[in-house]
Amino acid sequence: NAGVTQTPKFQVLKTGQSMTLQCAQDMNHEYMSWYRQDPGMGLRLIHYSVGAGITDQGEVPNGYNVSRSTTEDFPLRLLSAAPSQTSVYFCASSYEGTKYSPLHFGNGTRLTVT
Amino acid sequence: DAKTTQPNSMESNEEEPVHLPCNHSTISGTDYIHWYRQLPSQGPEYVIHGLTSNVNNRMASLAIAEDRKSSTLILHRATLRDAAVYYCILRDVYNNNDMRFGAGTRLTVKP
Repeated sequence: NAGVTQTPKFQVLKTGQSMTLQCAQDMNHEYMSWYRQDPGMGLRLIHYSVGAGITDQGEVPNGYNVSRSTTEDFPLRLLSAAPSQTSVYFCASSYEGTKYSPLHFGNGTRLTVT
Repeated sequence: DAKTTQPNSMESNEEEPVHLPCNHSTISGTDYIHWYRQLPSQGPEYVIHGLTSNVNNRMASLAIAEDRKSSTLILHRATLRDAAVYYCILRDVYNNNDMRFGAGTRLTVKP
């Protein structure tokens, strides 16, 4: 059981480039979400999904797109990378988005935009 | 959204108990209190959650004030592996998909 798997672990982009951060979970979780964590700060919610075909915005969605075509995968797309998007990105999932279900996190993708 | 306030940092000695406080004076009746921790270079991991009653599990205990405006995460015997950032989060029954983390408390454990 791999849990939540994020790829790549590290990425360097130039300003204006696009890329997709991958997130996959093998726990058949309905709920998935993306967070970013800047140095010395807590996590901020970017987007989340309560099931295949359903996504919604979190606290800081600008500059990011998501889609959820399968239960297992929830990719995060950066359309035109900016230095302000330099951060560590965490994907999380839970059985369902309820008060009872703990979030399971991946180990993060460290992104640098130059 | 109801917010939480935690100290920026705390220190503890190894094998001693640690009490990590969290204030949530604007908590609503439908908010659950969740705690997560983040070890260095890892994603956060779930620790414990509760509503009104004190809770215990293999990792920690959660003590909730009678008026629910504050709570305390208790690590009974701190180890060096407990050094992490601890987050206290409120999760609303009716808006529980939008889960937001604050800056948390950085716990240092001294040998």
